[in-house]
Amino acid sequence: NAGVTQTPKFQVLKTGQSMTLQCAQDMNHEYMSWYRQDPGMGLRLIHYSVGAGITDQGEVPNGYNVSRSTTEDFPLRLLSAAPSQTSVYFCASTLTSYEQYFGPGTRLTVT
Amino acid sequence: AQSVTQLGSHVSVSEGALVLLRCNYSSSVPPYLFWYVQYPNQGLQLLLKYTSAATLVKGINGFEAEFKKSETSFHLTKPSAHMSDAAEYFCAVRNTGTASKLTFGTGTRLQVTL
Repeated sequence: NAGVTQTPKFQVLKTGQSMTLQCAQDMNHEYMSWYRQDPGMGLRLIHYSVGAGITDQGEVPNGYNVSRSTTEDFPLRLLSAAPSQTSVYFCASTLTSYEQYFGPGTRLTVT
Repeated sequence: AQSVTQLGSHVSVSEGALVLLRCNYSSSVPPYLFWYVQYPNQGLQLLLKYTSAATLVKGINGFEAEFKKSETSFHLTKPSAHMSDAAEYFCAVRNTGTASKLTFGTGTRLQVTL
């Protein structure tokens, strides 16, 4: 049982490049979320999903796309990377209202 | 919408001293509240959660928090700090309507000195 896994751990992009951050969970959780963490701002919700085929926007969705074709996977796509998207990205999943399980994070730098 | 405010971005205590990290919430409905801990270069780990059962909640590593409706607070405490407690701590509230949405405070970095 690996929990929530994220790849890659680190990534450097040039402005304008696109990429996909991968997130997978093996706990059969219905709910999955993407957050970004920036110094002094805590974690902010980017997008979330309440089940396969269902996604919605969070607090800071601009510049990001998501899809949920399976229960296990919830990739986050950066369409055209900008320096403002330099951040640490966390994926999380939960089965119930009570606890979200977080992945180890992806540290992204956009130059 | 629900929100949380963490007072103090940095807290420093001596080893063996009381740890008190403050969190106040804003919610129009009974909230679900959480404390998470993040060690350097790691993800977030749940310390404890309040889900409208007992108002005094015990968590891992000797931490506990008390839900006080009259003060809209959910402060995190530990009687005796240990060097291994040095980390960043986040208070969070679950938004109504879906389990996927947590709103986090800005975090408090705890430093423990000898």
